[in-house]
Amino acid sequence: SQTIHQWPATLVQPVGSPLSLECTVEGTSNPNLYWYRQAAGRGLQLLFYSIGIDQISSEVPQNLSASRPQDRQFILSSKKLLLSDSGFYLCAWSVLGGGYEQYFGPGTRLTVT
Amino acid sequence: DAKTTQPPSMDCAEGRAANLPCNHSTISGNEYVYWYRQIHSQGPQYIIHGLKNNETNEMASLIITEDRKSSTLILPHATLRDTAVYYCIVRVPMNTGFQKLVFGTGTRLLVSP
Repeated sequence: SQTIHQWPATLVQPVGSPLSLECTVEGTSNPNLYWYRQAAGRGLQLLFYSIGIDQISSEVPQNLSASRPQDRQFILSSKKLLLSDSGFYLCAWSVLGGGYEQYFGPGTRLTVT
Repeated sequence: DAKTTQPPSMDCAEGRAANLPCNHSTISGNEYVYWYRQIHSQGPQYIIHGLKNNETNEMASLIITEDRKSSTLILPHATLRDTAVYYCIVRVPMNTGFQKLVFGTGTRLLVSP
């Protein structure tokens, strides 16, 4: 069966510090991968999606970036965090070329102080 | 740019059916309707999806009107563990050929004893 992991689960970082959130998927190959952010009381906003290694598309201009160094690894980064980067970050995967059901990880709650 | 409209909150008694409505009046002929739910502080969970016909699985039933402008998610026997935010989503095509799920703010369902 497929499993998706995210870490860390929670993170408190000062403004201006760097960020690295990691997501890995097990039990599937060539998945589509996604990064979402959910601000408090809001819906999910798609940040990045990837259909393959080093193939990443950005949905919203911001100070975040994403990388996919391996087939089942997706990393969200920032060089300098802003207060507005606080939120609940979710990684998801779906079958490449197949149905569009997305399966979400447990999320990382980021607080920028 | 969510293409769906849902009531912000609903209540349901435990053991009763929960009927969650969704309007998607601008849906196109080949766009699917998806339902996800998000239990507090967890990642969203896929429930069901459909195009034209009514659908049923082990979690819920999806009733889509003949004109496809609205749908209803039915939880036949709600339990306390069904308390969550329920998202009705229509896939949105992107200029890259990819299609994305746009999450709105959903319906907060509270199941009470």
